[in-house]
Amino acid sequence: EVQLAESGGGLVKPGGSLRLSCAASGFSFSSHSMNWVRQAPGKGLEWVSSITTSSDYKYYAASVKGRFTISRDNAKNSLYLQMNSLRADDTAVYYCVRDSLAAPGLFEYWGQGTLVTVSS
Amino acid sequence: DIQMTQSPSSLSASVGDRVTITCQASQDINNYLSWFQQKPGKAPKLLIYDASTLETGVPSRFSGSGSGTTFTFTISSLQPEDIATYYCQQYDNLPPFTFGPGTKVDMK
Repeated sequence: EVQLAESGGGLVKPGGSLRLSCAASGFSFSSHSMNWVRQAPGKGLEWVSSITTSSDYKYYAASVKGRFTISRDNAKNSLYLQMNSLRADDTAVYYCVRDSLAAPGLFEYWGQGTLVTVSS
Repeated sequence: DIQMTQSPSSLSASVGDRVTITCQASQDINNYLSWFQQKPGKAPKLLIYDASTLETGVPSRFSGSGSGTTFTFTISSLQPEDIATYYCQQYDNLPPFTFGPGTKVDMK
């Protein structure tokens, strides 16, 4: 069974940093591109970042480029999101999402999410 | 970047009703379109991909159609457990991958 478990969320002050983690199990982690998608309270879904299988390519939404860094450790079956210079509008539930092998961006499995709150 | 719109933003329907949601892309997305269902407090769930392919295990009352820039999502006979918000999402070419703003479906 595919499982994606996010952790690392919490309350942080504006300008602060946070590192999210996603522990993957139940599939060959190194074979799939991975993503972060977020959802602000009461709002819609927003793609944040993607990383290919060997970390060769990393993509970011314009809203987080230069502040967030996606990474992965295939030996540990883990995905990460380093978030710096956090702003109030980064407040959201952050989901770890697995791509299908069929197509990049086909979001096949989602974790339950971790809440990040940016507030003074 | 490709923009996605959805209509309506919300709707109310009765059990057994046929429900239709439309999603429009700002350019041709080559049928690289998914539909997700999200219930309150839960993660989104993939229902349909490639515009019309039903994900394994998803009830057949859900369907998708369309091509190019205009796509439709249909629930043939609304059930109480279908109360949720539905999102379309395009995955044509490289990121950014974009979502529609969502359609909230509730019971009349």
